Amino acid sequence: NAGVTQTPKFQVLKTGQSMTLQCAQDMNHNSMYWYRQDPGMGLRLIYYSASEGTTDKGEVPNGYNVSRLNKREFSLRLESAAPSQTSVYFCASAGRGGETQYFGPGTRLLVL
Amino acid sequence: AQSVTQLGSHVSVSEGALVLLRCNYSSSVPPYLFWYVQYPNQGLQLLLKYTTGATLVKGINGFEAEFKKSETSFHLTKPSAHMSDAAEYFCAVSDYGATNKLIFGTGTLLAVQP
Repeated sequence: NAGVTQTPKFQVLKTGQSMTLQCAQDMNHNSMYWYRQDPGMGLRLIYYSASEGTTDKGEVPNGYNVSRLNKREFSLRLESAAPSQTSVYFCASAGRGGETQYFGPGTRLLVL
Repeated sequence: AQSVTQLGSHVSVSEGALVLLRCNYSSSVPPYLFWYVQYPNQGLQLLLKYTTGATLVKGINGFEAEFKKSETSFHLTKPSAHMSDAAEYFCAVSDYGATNKLIFGTGTLLAVQP
C-alpha cells in the first residue's frame, strides 16, 4: 500500500519555466490538498479538492493551478516559476471531514 | 477564522527529560486538533488527534496531548525524551467540514541532547 506518492522528488527550474507536480493516492480518499512548506511558516494550503471534479483556492493560490484528474490524482502546475516559489511542496489526502490527512514525501523545488 | 499558535520555535531537552510542546488555537466552532511530526527530509506523520470525547489523547511513540477548552490549548507531552524524538512538530486545527482543511502552526523543532 503506497499511500500518497509524489513526483518528482527534486526539481531545479529557471525563472519563467513551467512544470507540473504530480500526486496520487491509493486510499480511495475523496479530498486532496497541496501545501507548501517554508522555514518558520509551517505549511500553507495552496489548493484543495474536496471531491473529484471540484477544486478551490487555499491560503496562497497565486501563481499556481491545479487539476483533479480523477479520484486518485491531483496535480499542481506552475505556469511561470518565480524564485518566491522555491519551497517544499506536499500533497495530502483525506476521507470524510475530520479524518486524518495523509501526506506524501514532498517535492523540493528550487527556482533560480 | 481558525488559527494555531505554537510557542517556541526551538525546544531543547535532555534525553530522559519531559517533553512539553505548546499549542494554542482559535476557533469559532468546536475544533478538531492534530499533532503531526516531521523527521528530516520526510513528509508529515500523524502523532495523535482530538475530535470528540475523551480530552486526553494518546498517540504513537509515547506522546499524548490534552484538549483544554477553557485554555484553548492542546499541548503535546512525553514523559521521557528519546534521541529518536528529535524532529519538527506541527499542531493543526481542522474545520472538519466537507473540505476538512487544516490550519497549521509554524512548528516547533525539538532537539534532544544526550
